[in-house]
Amino acid sequence: AIQLTQSPSSLSASVGDRITITCRASQDIGSALAWYQQKPGTSPKLLMYDVSTLESGVPSRFSGSGSGTDFTLSISSLQPEDFATYYCQHFKNYPFTFGPGTNVEIK
Amino acid sequence: EVQLVNSGGGLVQPGGSLRLSCTASGFTFSDYYMDWVRQAPGKGLEWVGRIRNKANGQTTEYAASVKGRFTVSRDDSKSSLYLQMNSLKIEDTAVYFCARDNVVKAAAFDVWGQGTMVTV
Repeated sequence: AIQLTQSPSSLSASVGDRITITCRASQDIGSALAWYQQKPGTSPKLLMYDVSTLESGVPSRFSGSGSGTDFTLSISSLQPEDFATYYCQHFKNYPFTFGPGTNVEIK
Repeated sequence: EVQLVNSGGGLVQPGGSLRLSCTASGFTFSDYYMDWVRQAPGKGLEWVGRIRNKANGQTTEYAASVKGRFTVSRDDSKSSLYLQMNSLKIEDTAVYFCARDNVVKAAAFDVWGQGTMVTV
C-alpha cells in the first residue's frame, strides 16, 4: 500500500502568514492527490484535487503543487477560518490512504 | 442542496454487527461512486471502502483492515448507501463518514456526510 507522510505534523502561525504543508508519497502517484480541511467536530471539506485544482468555492489563497512523490499545500495569507487540520489523500490505487494530517494552530 | 446524511451508529459489543446508512439528496445518486471513511477518536482519516455506480457494476473495494468483515452496498431507488459491519472489533470504534466519490470530475471526495459514531 502507498504510504503518505505529512510535514510538519503541526505548526503555529499568525493571521496573515504564508504557510506550506508537505505531503510525500512512498511511490509515484502522478497527480492523483487531493487535499482536505477538517475542523473539530465536523466532516472533512475538499480543498483541492488533481494536486492543484481548486474545488469550487475554495478561496484562491489556497494553492497546491507537486507531482510524483512530493506535494505541497500552501496558504498565502492565513485567515482565522483556516486554523484546522489538513489531510492529503492519494487515488493512485487501493487503498486510498490519507496522510496523518497537519494541525495548523494560532500562534 | 447537495447533502449526505449518516445514520445508524451506536454502541455494540465486540463480535457484534451494525449497519450504517447514508441517505443522499440534491444530486443523482445513481451516477456516483460512493465511499466510506472512518476516524477513530483523536486520530486521522482512514478510507474504508468504495462502491462503484451501476454503470460500472456496483463493484466494491475495501481496506485490508475491514475486508471480509464489512460490506458496502447501495440502493439507488432509495438514494442510499450502506455499510454492514460484522465481527466488530474494539479498533473499529470511530466516526464513520460516507462520501461522494466524484470520479467523473476527478478523483476526490467532494461531498461528505456529517458522520455517525460507532463504539465497540
